[in-house]
Amino acid sequence: KNEVEQSPQNLTAQEGEFITINCSYSVGISALHWLQQHPGGGIVSLFMLSSGKKKHGRLIATINIQEKHSSLHITASHPRDSAVYICAVRISGSRLTFGEGTQLTVNP
Amino acid sequence: EPEVTQTPSHQVTQMGQEVILRCVPISNHLYFYWYRQILGQKVEFLVSFYNNEISEKSEIFDDQFSVERPDGSNFTLKIRSTKLEDSAMYFCASSKDGNYGYTFGSGTRLTVV
Repeated sequence: KNEVEQSPQNLTAQEGEFITINCSYSVGISALHWLQQHPGGGIVSLFMLSSGKKKHGRLIATINIQEKHSSLHITASHPRDSAVYICAVRISGSRLTFGEGTQLTVNP
Repeated sequence: EPEVTQTPSHQVTQMGQEVILRCVPISNHLYFYWYRQILGQKVEFLVSFYNNEISEKSEIFDDQFSVERPDGSNFTLKIRSTKLEDSAMYFCASSKDGNYGYTFGSGTRLTVV
C-alpha cells in the first residue's frame, strides 16, 4: 500500500471551475508539500504545510493532521494551471515520500 | 528568485558507462538531495547530503551510485556503470534546512541505451 494516496488520478475541468485535489497519507508526518510538475518535467514547490491552511494567489492548501488528509484547491482555474500536481510528505529525516500525482487539464 | 541549476538537461549514454550529473544548489542552502522519476512513475528519493556527508539514502542508492560536493557550489551524482533501468529524470533539490521548503532543479533526463 502506498504511504501517500492522491485522488483523482486525472481531472479535466473547464476554465473558471473550482478544482480540488485530495491527498491522504497513512503514517505520522512532520510536513506535507504540494508540488507542480509541468509537461517539460520541472518540479515547482507550491506549499509546505504542517497545520491549517495556506493561500497563494488562486491556490489554497489545507491539512487535517488528525484525519491524515490534505487538499489543494484552485479557484477560477485557467488552462495555464494544466500540470501534474503532486503531494509529498516528510515522514522522518528530511526526505520526501511522493504520491503518484494528479494530472489536471483545464480546457478553455 | 534563486534557482537550483542542473546540467546537462539531457544525457544519452551507453550501458556500462559512467555518468556524472551536476547540480548547483542555492548558495545558502545546507541540505542537498537527489531524486529520480522513471517515466510514468512517481518521484523516488535517492539520497540526502548534509555537512559534507550522506545523511540518508534509499535502497535504490546502491554501490553504483555516489554523491560528492567537490567544491563550495557543485553537488554531483555519479552512476558508475549505468544500466538500462537507470533511465529516468534525475532531480536535484536543496533546502535551507530540513524543515524548510525545497527548491528543485529542472532535472536531467538520462537515457541509457
